[in-house]
Amino acid sequence: QSGLTQPASVSGSPGQSITISCTGTSSDIGGYKYVSWYQQHPGKVPKLMIYDVSNRPSGISNRFSGSKSGNTASLTISGLQAEDEADYYCSSFTSSYTLVFGGGTKLTVL
Amino acid sequence: QVDLVESGGGVVQPGRSLRLSCAASGIIFSNNVFHWVRQAPGMGLEWVAGMSSDGRHIYYADSVRGRFTISRDNSKSTLYLQMNSLRAEDTALYYCARGYCSGGGCWNFDYWGQGALVTVSS
Repeated sequence: QSGLTQPASVSGSPGQSITISCTGTSSDIGGYKYVSWYQQHPGKVPKLMIYDVSNRPSGISNRFSGSKSGNTASLTISGLQAEDEADYYCSSFTSSYTLVFGGGTKLTVL
Repeated sequence: QVDLVESGGGVVQPGRSLRLSCAASGIIFSNNVFHWVRQAPGMGLEWVAGMSSDGRHIYYADSVRGRFTISRDNSKSTLYLQMNSLRAEDTALYYCARGYCSGGGCWNFDYWGQGALVTVSS
C-alpha cells in the first residue's frame, strides 16, 4: 500500500489561510469518507485535528476545516497563528482494511 | 485522564525479537480498539497494526505482516506488539494509540502514548 501524497512544505503569514492537500486513490481517499488529519509539533505526540473528512474532535478550533473531492482531501487552516507551525499528516482507511498516512507537510508561519 | 505508557523498547540486532507493551489507565481498556503507529527518526507516521476491543479482529500493515503480532490482555489493560525477524528499517519510535470510533470504524487516533524507541542495529 503506497502512502498518500502531501506537499513537503507550505507557508503563510499570520492571519492568512492555507490549504494542505492529500492525494490518494480510489482504494483509499476516493472510496471512503474516512480521512483524518494530525498535527505534530517537534518532539511531541501527534494530535487528532480532523476525522471523517471534516469533523473536529472536541476542543479543536474551528479555524481547522477539512474537505474531500475525488481522491484528494484537504486541510484548511484559517486565521493562521504562530502556534499552528507544525507538521501535518493525513490518513485514510483503505480497501485492504489497513490505514495509510501521507508523508507529512511542514507548515511554516512566516 | 487517559494515559498510555509504552515499554520494552531498546537496541536489538537484526533478525532478533522484541516485545513492546502499552499499559493503559483512565479508560475502560476492554471497550476500546487500539493500534500501534511508528515513526522512524526524522520521518513520517506509519500505521503498524490494530486490534478490536475483543481481540477478534486484527489488522496489519504489509510491511510487518508475518513478522509482528499484536495482542492484548484486557485483564491487565495492556496492549502488546511482538516483533520478530527485526530489520534495520523497523528502527522507529513506536506509539500505542486509542482508536476513536466514528462512522468509518475506529481508525482515528485520539490518545497516544509517548512512544518506545526501537533501534535495530548490529
